Amino acid sequence: GAVVSQHPSWVICKSGTSVKIECRSLDFQATTMFWYRQFPKQSLMLMATSNEGSKATYEQGVEKDKFLINHASLTLSTLTVTSAHPEDSSFYICSARAGGNNQPQHFGDGTRLSIL
Amino acid sequence: AQTVTQSQPEMSVQEAETVTLSCTYDTSESDYYLFWYKQPPSRQMILVIRQEAYKQQNATENRFSVNFQKAAKSFSLKISDSQLGDAAMYFCAYMSGSQGNLIFGKGTKLSVKP
Repeated sequence: GAVVSQHPSWVICKSGTSVKIECRSLDFQATTMFWYRQFPKQSLMLMATSNEGSKATYEQGVEKDKFLINHASLTLSTLTVTSAHPEDSSFYICSARAGGNNQPQHFGDGTRLSIL
Repeated sequence: AQTVTQSQPEMSVQEAETVTLSCTYDTSESDYYLFWYKQPPSRQMILVIRQEAYKQQNATENRFSVNFQKAAKSFSLKISDSQLGDAAMYFCAYMSGSQGNLIFGKGTKLSVKP
Protein backbone atom coordinates (compact mmCIF):
# COMPACT_ATOMS: atom_id res chain seq x y z
CA GLY A 1 0.00 0.00 0.00
CA ALA A 2 0.82 3.72 -0.12
CA VAL A 3 2.28 3.76 -3.61
CA VAL A 4 3.25 7.01 -5.27
CA SER A 5 3.94 7.04 -8.99
CA GLN A 6 5.99 9.79 -10.57
CA HIS A 7 6.21 10.32 -14.31
CA PRO A 8 8.35 10.69 -16.33
CA SER A 9 11.37 9.16 -14.64
CA TRP A 10 13.78 10.91 -16.97
CA VAL A 11 13.31 13.75 -19.39
CA ILE A 12 15.69 15.60 -21.65
CA CYS A 13 14.56 18.75 -23.40
CA LYS A 14 15.81 21.86 -25.04
CA SER A 15 16.30 25.11 -23.23
CA GLY A 16 13.22 27.31 -23.30
CA THR A 17 10.67 24.53 -23.28
CA SER A 18 8.26 23.73 -20.46
CA VAL A 19 8.26 20.36 -18.76
CA LYS A 20 5.45 18.81 -16.74
CA ILE A 21 6.06 16.19 -14.07
CA GLU A 22 3.19 14.19 -12.63
CA CYS A 23 2.87 12.75 -9.16
CA ARG A 24 0.06 10.28 -8.47
CA SER A 25 -1.01 8.48 -5.34
CA LEU A 26 -2.22 5.12 -6.64
CA ASP A 27 -3.93 3.57 -3.64
CA PHE A 28 -4.72 6.39 -1.27
CA GLN A 29 -6.05 9.92 -1.30
CA ALA A 30 -3.29 12.45 -0.89
CA THR A 31 -4.56 15.54 0.85
CA THR A 32 -1.07 17.01 0.77
CA MET A 33 1.73 16.63 -1.73
CA PHE A 34 5.27 17.89 -1.53
CA TRP A 35 7.82 18.68 -4.20
CA TYR A 36 11.54 18.40 -3.53
CA ARG A 37 14.63 19.15 -5.53
CA GLN A 38 17.87 17.26 -5.11
CA PHE A 39 21.19 18.34 -6.60
CA PRO A 40 23.91 15.71 -7.12
CA LYS A 41 25.35 14.42 -3.85
CA GLN A 42 23.15 16.75 -1.84
CA SER A 43 20.09 16.42 0.31
CA LEU A 44 16.46 16.95 -0.59
CA MET A 45 15.30 20.54 -0.46
CA LEU A 46 11.60 21.24 -0.12
CA MET A 47 10.32 23.44 -2.93
CA ALA A 48 6.63 23.65 -2.17
CA THR A 49 3.71 22.09 -0.38
CA SER A 50 0.35 21.69 -2.05
CA ASN A 51 -3.01 20.84 -0.58
CA GLU A 52 -5.78 19.56 -2.79
CA GLY A 53 -7.83 22.41 -4.18
CA SER A 54 -5.60 25.14 -2.77
CA LYS A 55 -2.69 27.17 -4.04
CA ALA A 56 0.71 25.74 -3.30
CA THR A 57 2.88 27.18 -0.57
CA TYR A 58 6.39 27.81 -1.86
CA GLU A 59 9.56 27.80 0.19
CA GLN A 60 11.66 30.91 0.33
CA GLY A 61 13.76 31.37 -2.78
CA VAL A 62 11.60 29.18 -5.02
CA GLU A 63 10.11 31.07 -7.95
CA LYS A 64 6.41 30.30 -8.11
CA ASP A 65 6.16 31.54 -11.70
CA LYS A 66 8.98 29.25 -12.68
CA PHE A 67 7.74 26.15 -10.92
CA LEU A 68 3.99 25.89 -11.37
CA ILE A 69 2.28 23.41 -9.08
CA ASN A 70 -1.25 22.16 -9.50
CA HIS A 71 -3.02 19.81 -7.12
CA ALA A 72 -6.42 19.53 -8.71
CA SER A 73 -7.44 16.16 -7.31
CA LEU A 74 -6.75 13.97 -4.30
CA THR A 75 -4.57 11.68 -6.38
CA LEU A 76 -2.67 13.96 -8.71
CA SER A 77 -0.27 16.84 -8.41
CA THR A 78 1.79 18.29 -11.25
CA LEU A 79 4.95 20.36 -11.32
CA THR A 80 5.58 22.36 -14.47
CA VAL A 81 9.01 23.83 -14.99
CA THR A 82 8.35 26.77 -17.31
CA SER A 83 10.87 28.02 -19.84
CA ALA A 84 13.43 25.58 -18.50
CA HIS A 85 17.12 26.42 -18.62
CA PRO A 86 20.22 24.32 -17.93
CA GLU A 87 20.37 25.52 -14.32
CA ASP A 88 16.97 23.89 -13.77
CA SER A 89 18.51 20.50 -14.45
CA SER A 90 18.12 18.46 -11.31
CA PHE A 91 16.40 15.51 -9.69
CA TYR A 92 12.84 16.29 -8.65
CA ILE A 93 11.00 14.10 -6.15
CA CYS A 94 7.42 14.27 -5.01
CA SER A 95 5.85 12.84 -1.90
CA ALA A 96 2.25 12.42 -0.85
CA ARG A 97 0.52 12.24 2.49
CA ALA A 98 -2.97 11.20 3.51
CA GLY A 99 -4.49 12.82 6.52
CA GLY A 100 -2.92 15.08 9.11
CA ASN A 101 0.54 16.42 9.75
CA ASN A 102 1.58 13.39 11.79
CA GLN A 103 1.08 10.99 8.90
CA PRO A 104 4.09 9.73 6.95
CA GLN A 105 5.06 10.97 3.52
CA HIS A 106 5.31 8.42 0.73
CA PHE A 107 7.81 9.21 -1.99
CA GLY A 108 7.72 8.81 -5.74
CA ASP A 109 10.74 7.46 -7.58
CA GLY A 110 11.80 10.88 -8.79
CA THR A 111 12.33 12.56 -12.15
CA ARG A 112 15.71 13.33 -13.59
CA LEU A 113 15.41 16.52 -15.61
CA SER A 114 18.15 17.46 -18.04
CA ILE A 115 17.95 20.72 -19.96
CA LEU A 116 20.23 21.05 -22.94
CA ALA B 1 14.00 27.03 12.85
CA GLN B 2 14.61 23.34 13.05
CA THR B 3 17.86 21.88 11.79
CA VAL B 4 19.17 18.39 11.23
CA THR B 5 22.88 17.62 11.30
CA GLN B 6 24.61 14.50 10.07
CA SER B 7 28.28 14.83 10.87
CA GLN B 8 29.48 11.78 8.94
CA PRO B 9 29.56 12.37 5.17
CA GLU B 10 30.77 8.82 4.59
CA MET B 11 30.92 5.60 6.57
CA SER B 12 32.14 2.15 5.78
CA VAL B 13 31.31 -1.22 7.36
CA GLN B 14 32.33 -4.80 6.79
CA GLU B 15 29.59 -7.15 5.71
CA ALA B 16 27.88 -8.79 8.72
CA GLU B 17 29.25 -6.15 11.08
CA THR B 18 27.38 -3.38 12.88
CA VAL B 19 27.51 0.31 12.04
CA THR B 20 26.02 3.38 13.69
CA LEU B 21 25.09 6.53 11.81
CA SER B 22 24.85 9.75 13.78
CA CYS B 23 22.21 12.45 13.65
CA THR B 24 21.51 15.43 15.84
CA TYR B 25 18.72 17.93 15.55
CA ASP B 26 17.66 21.22 16.99
CA THR B 27 14.11 22.20 17.81
CA SER B 28 12.08 24.00 20.42
CA GLU B 29 8.97 21.97 19.68
CA SER B 30 7.68 19.13 21.79
CA ASP B 31 5.58 17.44 19.13
CA TYR B 32 7.75 16.02 16.38
CA TYR B 33 8.82 12.87 14.58
CA LEU B 34 12.17 11.63 13.42
CA PHE B 35 12.96 9.41 10.47
CA TRP B 36 15.76 7.62 8.73
CA TYR B 37 15.45 7.30 4.97
CA LYS B 38 17.61 5.22 2.68
CA GLN B 39 18.37 6.35 -0.87
CA PRO B 40 20.12 3.69 -2.99
CA PRO B 41 21.69 4.52 -6.36
CA SER B 42 18.23 4.23 -7.93
CA ARG B 43 17.47 7.38 -5.90
CA GLN B 44 14.20 6.04 -4.55
CA MET B 45 13.53 7.30 -1.02
CA ILE B 46 12.86 4.34 1.26
CA LEU B 47 11.63 4.80 4.80
CA VAL B 48 13.84 2.80 7.15
CA ILE B 49 12.50 3.68 10.56
CA ARG B 50 10.32 6.23 12.34
CA GLN B 51 10.35 7.52 15.92
CA GLU B 52 7.71 9.56 17.67
CA ALA B 53 9.21 12.07 20.07
CA TYR B 54 6.69 11.27 22.78
CA LYS B 55 7.74 7.64 22.86
CA GLN B 56 10.61 6.78 25.15
CA GLN B 57 11.12 3.34 23.68
CA ASN B 58 13.57 3.21 20.80
CA ALA B 59 12.08 2.12 17.49
CA THR B 60 13.32 -1.08 15.85
CA GLU B 61 12.73 -2.62 12.44
CA ASN B 62 14.45 -5.95 12.03
CA ARG B 63 18.19 -5.18 11.69
CA PHE B 64 17.64 -1.44 12.07
CA SER B 65 17.29 0.27 15.42
CA VAL B 66 17.64 3.78 16.74
CA ASN B 67 19.12 5.31 19.85
CA PHE B 68 16.83 8.24 20.58
CA GLN B 69 18.24 10.57 23.21
CA LYS B 70 15.63 13.30 23.50
CA ALA B 71 17.43 15.50 25.99
CA ALA B 72 20.58 15.43 23.89
CA LYS B 73 18.54 15.78 20.67
CA SER B 74 20.32 12.83 19.20
CA PHE B 75 18.87 10.18 16.91
CA SER B 76 21.40 7.62 15.72
CA LEU B 77 20.71 4.63 13.48
CA LYS B 78 22.28 1.24 14.15
CA ILE B 79 22.43 -1.31 11.37
CA SER B 80 23.20 -4.81 12.56
CA ASP B 81 24.48 -7.68 10.43
CA SER B 82 25.17 -5.29 7.55
CA GLN B 83 24.39 -6.56 4.09
CA LEU B 84 25.65 -5.47 0.68
CA GLY B 85 22.18 -4.16 -0.09
CA ASP B 86 22.44 -1.71 2.78
CA ALA B 87 24.91 0.37 0.80
CA ALA B 88 23.19 3.70 0.12
CA MET B 89 22.82 7.29 1.20
CA TYR B 90 21.08 7.57 4.54
CA PHE B 91 19.18 10.70 5.43
CA CYS B 92 18.01 11.65 8.88
CA ALA B 93 14.84 13.73 8.82
CA TYR B 94 12.78 15.78 11.24
CA MET B 95 9.07 16.43 10.94
CA SER B 96 7.16 18.95 12.98
CA GLY B 97 3.90 17.65 14.34
CA SER B 98 2.26 20.99 13.65
CA GLN B 99 3.62 21.68 10.17
CA GLY B 100 4.23 18.24 8.75
CA ASN B 101 7.18 19.24 6.59
CA LEU B 102 10.25 17.05 6.43
CA ILE B 103 13.64 18.62 7.07
CA PHE B 104 16.52 16.47 5.92
CA GLY B 105 20.11 16.25 7.02
CA LYS B 106 22.86 16.28 4.43
CA GLY B 107 23.13 12.53 4.41
CA THR B 108 25.71 9.84 5.11
CA LYS B 109 26.99 7.62 2.35
CA LEU B 110 27.32 4.09 3.65
CA SER B 111 29.58 1.60 1.91
CA VAL B 112 29.48 -2.10 2.75
CA LYS B 113 32.63 -4.13 2.12
CA PRO B 114 32.28 -7.80 1.23
